[in-house]
Amino acid sequence: QLQLQESGPGLVKPSETLSLTCGVSRGSIGSSSDYWGWIRQPPGKGLEWIGTVSYSGSTYYNPSLKSRVTISVDTSKNQFSLKLNSVTAADTAVYYCGRLGYSRRESYFDCWGQGTLVIVSS
Amino acid sequence: DIVMTQSPDSLAVSLGERATMNCKSSQSVLYSSSNNNYLAWYQQKPGQPPKLLIYWASMRESGVPDRFSGSGSGTDFTLTISSLQAEDVAVYYCQQYYSSPLTFGGGTKVEIK
Repeated sequence: QLQLQESGPGLVKPSETLSLTCGVSRGSIGSSSDYWGWIRQPPGKGLEWIGTVSYSGSTYYNPSLKSRVTISVDTSKNQFSLKLNSVTAADTAVYYCGRLGYSRRESYFDCWGQGTLVIVSS
Repeated sequence: DIVMTQSPDSLAVSLGERATMNCKSSQSVLYSSSNNNYLAWYQQKPGQPPKLLIYWASMRESGVPDRFSGSGSGTDFTLTISSLQAEDVAVYYCQQYYSSPLTFGGGTKVEIK
């Protein structure tokens, strides 16, 4: 069964860049028409879609974050990555990676990583 | 953006009783050519990631108990737990995937009465 695992620093200073990676195991990120995404959840709050990347590297971002977000895919390492620049305390959240179902970029998330808490603080 | 509004914010139900929660979208998520509603439901337990329960508004994900059911069309949707079990205590979210940006409701917290 497909497994996803987020990794990256748990603490980022304000104005710096948040960088996370999602490793994919028990499945291949590049051998199908799958789409992969990032979602975040501030402590005690709801879910926010950040963006999506296709197996071929096409990207789709939430307009609310588009100016600060870069998502990329590395099929050789079977992983995809998130970079969010110019972070503030409002970016403190649990960050999840996930796979979008139905091989469609606008879809539901049928597999989720466990999530990683990123705190923005000096 | 399509705004998803869930109600109630929380509900307390006795074990074995029915739990019903609602999700309303600011515009229709029904794609007329396919007659599919682009609406999913998730369950999130404390300290865990969301888990997909329902997609296409009423299709149960593999392995999800049949006490969970989704219904509705257009802009109004319902998730029903027919007989609440202790392990169903969680926050439930709806999500539309009709158009970008993908958006989620604010969640309904289900507790035991």
